[in-house]
Amino acid sequence: QKEVEQNSGPLSVPEGAIASLNCTYSDRGSQSFFWYRQYSGKSPELIMFIYSNGDKEDGRFTAQLNKASQYVSLLIRDSQPSDSATYLCAVIRSGGSYIPTFGRGTSLIVHP
Amino acid sequence: EAGVTQFPSHSVIEKGQTVTLRCDPISGHDNLYWYRRVMGKEIKFLLHFVKESKQDESGMPNNRFLAERTGGTYSTLKVQPAELEDSGVYFCASSPPGQMNTEAFFGQGTRLTVV
Repeated sequence: QKEVEQNSGPLSVPEGAIASLNCTYSDRGSQSFFWYRQYSGKSPELIMFIYSNGDKEDGRFTAQLNKASQYVSLLIRDSQPSDSATYLCAVIRSGGSYIPTFGRGTSLIVHP
Repeated sequence: EAGVTQFPSHSVIEKGQTVTLRCDPISGHDNLYWYRRVMGKEIKFLLHFVKESKQDESGMPNNRFLAERTGGTYSTLKVQPAELEDSGVYFCASSPPGQMNTEAFFGQGTRLTVV
């Protein structure tokens, strides 16, 4: 089992819809969870981080964390074509080394 | 404030040659990470420096890879001799000292192609 799993997609949604991106992780002791966005040929950039169970909202983005199910998701409301990118889930596991472990990323395509 | 910078942005070398990648982290960031992304696969951790010390190098593929961070500032990653499977994008990231919830800032990456 991979440490951080994401469906590689592509996930295709129409403009204005809600895009739902999912990520599961294997280490139950994981403590911090990050969503990065990576445009083609560019470096990953942080969108949000979450470390408490529940929802965290920032503009059109909502991160959801369920530690019991070892599941973290990212919702993008009112999706725009400019949201088309690869979304990377990263997890900082227990153990104190603070090294982010990344999933494969989900490719999102928002079509007009 | 300058971000994480990597050099070169692209490198094409022949199998058996040596290549050295450089990363300049954000000033004051003690943590420096090297990652590699092979096409179609996830970004994989290579190693982690805290200042000049290698904290974790468990992700280094083999002894053809050598990373250094002299003086705790910039870091280099040398591949010698390069093999075809070393092709990929090598990312460097840095973060401030000792905080669990702090984001890692990424450089633009070096695309390495071994032919």
